[in-house]
Amino acid sequence: EAGVTQSPTHLIKTRGQQATLRCSPISGHTSVYWYQQALGLGLQFLLWYDEGEERNRGNFPPRFSGRQFPNYSSELNVNALELEDSALYLCASSFRQGWSYEQYFGPGTRLTVT
Amino acid sequence: QKEVEQNSGPLSVPEGAIASLNCTYSDRVSQSFFWYRQYSGKSPELIMSIYSNGDKEDGRFTAQLNKASQYVSLLIRDSQPSDSATYLCAGSPRGSGNTGKLIFGQGTTLQVKP
Repeated sequence: EAGVTQSPTHLIKTRGQQATLRCSPISGHTSVYWYQQALGLGLQFLLWYDEGEERNRGNFPPRFSGRQFPNYSSELNVNALELEDSALYLCASSFRQGWSYEQYFGPGTRLTVT
Repeated sequence: QKEVEQNSGPLSVPEGAIASLNCTYSDRVSQSFFWYRQYSGKSPELIMSIYSNGDKEDGRFTAQLNKASQYVSLLIRDSQPSDSATYLCAGSPRGSGNTGKLIFGQGTTLQVKP
């Protein structure tokens, strides 16, 4: 069974530009989560999508946004990039089973903002 | 108090020994807990989930949850050099507004020496 896939693996952007990151969940999973892992800050929850709707978001500014497509894949958009947005962006997926959200992570996209 | 806390380590154990990794959580965290393993430069890999008081065993891994004392632990028996990684503890925060979100500790680095 294929795991969560993400593209691109690496992304280099300059400050002020926009970045688009993509994620395909495990087959059968309807929920997609986005996390940021910045150096020294640990894993921080960004967004949760389920059945095409944004269900929850973390403490990030509105320039972090995304969407989920009918096939449950998702993209994360980061507008007006800032240097501190440089991080590993991780996508995870799960079955939506009430409160027991076992989340499985993809390999991540390393975003570098210069 | 942080919502999920871990000692950053490093925790160093000899090959074949039992490695014990601990995590404490605050009242703001609910009763679903997860242990992830993250190799350097890679994404987190789900090892165990635990929802009820007591022990849960899977191969060489045992997760323990003590709700009264608000801690979760992961025991790794017969530790191997390949177990050397950062181990992340995660919990689900309480409240309907926190559904889907996982709160991660900073991780404990484990070094297994041959």
